[in-house]
Amino acid sequence: AQRVTQPEKLLSVFKGAPVELKCNYSYSGSPELFWYVQYSRQRLQLLLRHISRESIKGFTADLNKGETSFHLKKPFAQEEDSAMYYCALTGGGSNYKLTFGKGTLLTVNP
Amino acid sequence: KAGVTQTPRYLIKTRGQQVTLSCSPISGHRSVSWYQQTPGQGLQFLFEYFSETQRNKGNFPGRFSGRQFSNSRSEMNVSTLELGDSALYLCASSSGGGETQYFGPGTRLLVL
Repeated sequence: AQRVTQPEKLLSVFKGAPVELKCNYSYSGSPELFWYVQYSRQRLQLLLRHISRESIKGFTADLNKGETSFHLKKPFAQEEDSAMYYCALTGGGSNYKLTFGKGTLLTVNP
Repeated sequence: KAGVTQTPRYLIKTRGQQVTLSCSPISGHRSVSWYQQTPGQGLQFLFEYFSETQRNKGNFPGRFSGRQFSNSRSEMNVSTLELGDSALYLCASSSGGGETQYFGPGTRLLVL
């Protein structure tokens, strides 16, 4: 079974501080990992996926297969980063269903 | 390109009724997936259609069904509505080969 765990429901940081949103997963094969973000009154959108190895809006995430983690990091948080963040995975092959974590609400205070 | 659209945006139904939700994918996308979002369970996968065929299915009862048309537009149907079906229903489209899924704004269903 595939499962994604985001241990923090809420995370509050000050502007300019580093931020790390934690994500752990459980999957027996080789999953593909994603971070989705939902800003206030906007639709869910892809932030990044591990195979692209891109940095989007200053965020990065490294897949650690040993620890089965895919934590999202940003060295200097901005107020506009305040949003709901969801970690998700697909099982690869023809299994394209996204399994989501429960999400972490990030608030960046001025 | 226009994004994924969903209609209607809001629905109020009563227990026992049935409902049909519609999703129009991004032009050229052949895969449409449906998700249910609730405060308690979060985002849960319902099913995925690709080229008019159901390719993946989640763990929902048979009251939840869907279909996809030749133009890739998709509908999902929920029969014999229960109070617990109140949720935000999201659809997402992609080109189909494990590519990025793009989400619509959702249909908020309230069952009274």
